[in-house]
Amino acid sequence: DTGVSQDPRHKITKRGQNVTFRCDPISEHNRLYWYRQTLGQGPEFLTYFQNEAQLEKSRLLSDRFSAERPKGSFSTLEIQRTEQGDSAMYLCASSSVFHEQFFGPGTRLTVL
Amino acid sequence: KQEVTQIPAALSVPEGENLVLNCSFTDSAIYNLQWFRQDPGKGLTSLLLIQSSQREQTSGRLNASLDKSSGRSTLYIAASQPGDSATYLCADSNSNDYKLSFGAGTTVTVRA
Repeated sequence: DTGVSQDPRHKITKRGQNVTFRCDPISEHNRLYWYRQTLGQGPEFLTYFQNEAQLEKSRLLSDRFSAERPKGSFSTLEIQRTEQGDSAMYLCASSSVFHEQFFGPGTRLTVL
Repeated sequence: KQEVTQIPAALSVPEGENLVLNCSFTDSAIYNLQWFRQDPGKGLTSLLLIQSSQREQTSGRLNASLDKSSGRSTLYIAASQPGDSATYLCADSNSNDYKLSFGAGTTVTVRA
């Protein structure tokens, strides 16, 4: 069990650029979640997958955001035309059928 | 909408004192409740998970209780140490989608 990994750990970009983050879940976990956390707040749910199917998207996820989980393994979260308000920590978590969620180290995005 | 509240937002105690962290939730269909630790700029580490059918869970110096009727959970940390300084977050999930709803956290400082 190598845990949940995320890449990159930090990303600095200019407003208007596109960014993509990757999450590798614990290998036998079928559920994968994305959350966003801003300073001083708890994480907020963005979207989740069961295997390769994206089952729910939060209203926080504007049409500039897209997430995929091809073949039910790793997942990517892409933000197009980044805005300063997108600056946050993006967290990925995975769970098995028992639903305890395990989190990765997060990707900190700074939009200049 | 599920709401999770953690009071106080910050807490400072001398080393050796017992810590009591409070979490209240509004979801009547709670599936489980998790307590997490977060160090500055890092991801979340799962501390304890309590299923809705349980009243408490223990791990080492940590004990978490769950009272569904009052919508409250409490995390007790015995004999606090400076290494316990961190932000502690609680989150509940329901049986529809299992996504987590987080409180804003309690930031704990243990003074040596």
